[in-house]
Formats: sequence, structure tokens, C-alpha cells
Amino acid sequence: GAVVSQHPSWVICKSGTSVKIECRSLDFQATTMFWYRQFPKQSLMLMATSNEGSKATYEQGVEKDKFLINHASLTLSTLTVTSAHPEDSSFYICSAPRTVSTEAFFGQGTRLTVV
Amino acid sequence: GQQLNQSPQSMFIQEGEDVSMNCTSSSIFNTWLWYKQDPGEGPVLLIALYKAGELTSNGRLTAQFGITRKDSFLNISASIPSDVGIYFCAGQLEYGQNFVFGPGTRLSVLP
Repeated sequence: GAVVSQHPSWVICKSGTSVKIECRSLDFQATTMFWYRQFPKQSLMLMATSNEGSKATYEQGVEKDKFLINHASLTLSTLTVTSAHPEDSSFYICSAPRTVSTEAFFGQGTRLTVV
Repeated sequence: GQQLNQSPQSMFIQEGEDVSMNCTSSSIFNTWLWYKQDPGEGPVLLIALYKAGELTSNGRLTAQFGITRKDSFLNISASIPSDVGIYFCAGQLEYGQNFVFGPGTRLSVLP
């Protein structure tokens, strides 16, 4: 069964509104979670690393004020897309490794469509 | 940033055929992972490799961690229609770091 759960699976929102995406580790504690973005027919691109108890680390070119990340607990990280625009429409995926030296498990992904 | 190359980009095979794909990098990785992604879904882990030269199987899938630590291979034997999807390799440079993903190999299986 799934060890990382992401919610919602899909969301449609109006331009200018904000959308929150949740990522939960179900049977383990994750001090680190990763947020990726995937455009159609492309690979996953790391957006940011979510760290429990400290600020997220953003990749170059990713606006931290637009993509707010909060690692509220050892089992939950949230990504909020603020003031969404159509160009933010994409597939957002989170992942979490059980430990720092093991494989990462992925959530189901969230398809965001901004109209 | 670090880049992984995957080959081939896409492939069309007949059901029952074997499939081989690889992933290469100019950097040395300490971990290689292989994932499969179905449309609209998140990637699902197929095989994880942790040591150079390691050969690991998962059903009809076999993956190897290249001896140079700069490449990895994935083989699928006796392909079936549900093997259709995008296969991504991912490498980790150091423990605790994020995984870097390759561009993917799109597999189509013809009946």
C-alpha cells in the first residue's frame, strides 16, 4: 500500500486564488520531504526540499514567496501555490525517504489546473 | 546541476519481447533507483540499488548498478501490455540529498 499520501489528487482553481497541497508519510516519520513539478511529457524537476522544524530549501528559479512550504510535523508537509496563474498549471508530486540513506516514496501527485 | 541521460527516449516493442534501457551520468552516484510512472499518477518505485555492481531483480525486472557508479541498467523480460509507461532512473549523489531524475524512457508495448 501507499506509504506517502498526497491530497488532493486534482484541483481546479481560478487565477489569483491559492491552493494548498498536502503530503503525508503514512507509516514513518520524514524529517525531509521533496516537492517536484512535472510538465507534460517531461521529467520531474525538484522545486524545494521541505525540512521539519526549519525553512524549506528552494531550487534556483523557484519563487519561495509563491510556493510556500510548511513542514508542520514529522509526517506532514504542505505546498501552497499562492496567487495561482495558468502557467502554474502542472503536476505536483511530493516524495519522502524513510531514512536519509534509503529510497524515496512518492505521493500520488496533484494535478493543478488554473483557469 | 547534475544531469542524467536515459536511453532510449522511447521504444515500441512487441508483447513478449525483452526490453533494455540505461541511465548514464558524468557524476558518481551512491544510489540508483528505477521508477515507473503511469499517466496521471506519481512514480512508483521498481528497484533500488545501493552498491556498485549490484544486480537486483523484481519479478520480470532486473536492474544493475554500474561498476563505474556512473550508470545503471534496467531490463524487462517478456513484456506485457501493462508494462507501458514512462521509466525514470534517479540517482543520489550523497546520502540525505534529493534524487536527480533522468528524462525518462517511454515504453509502448504492441499486442
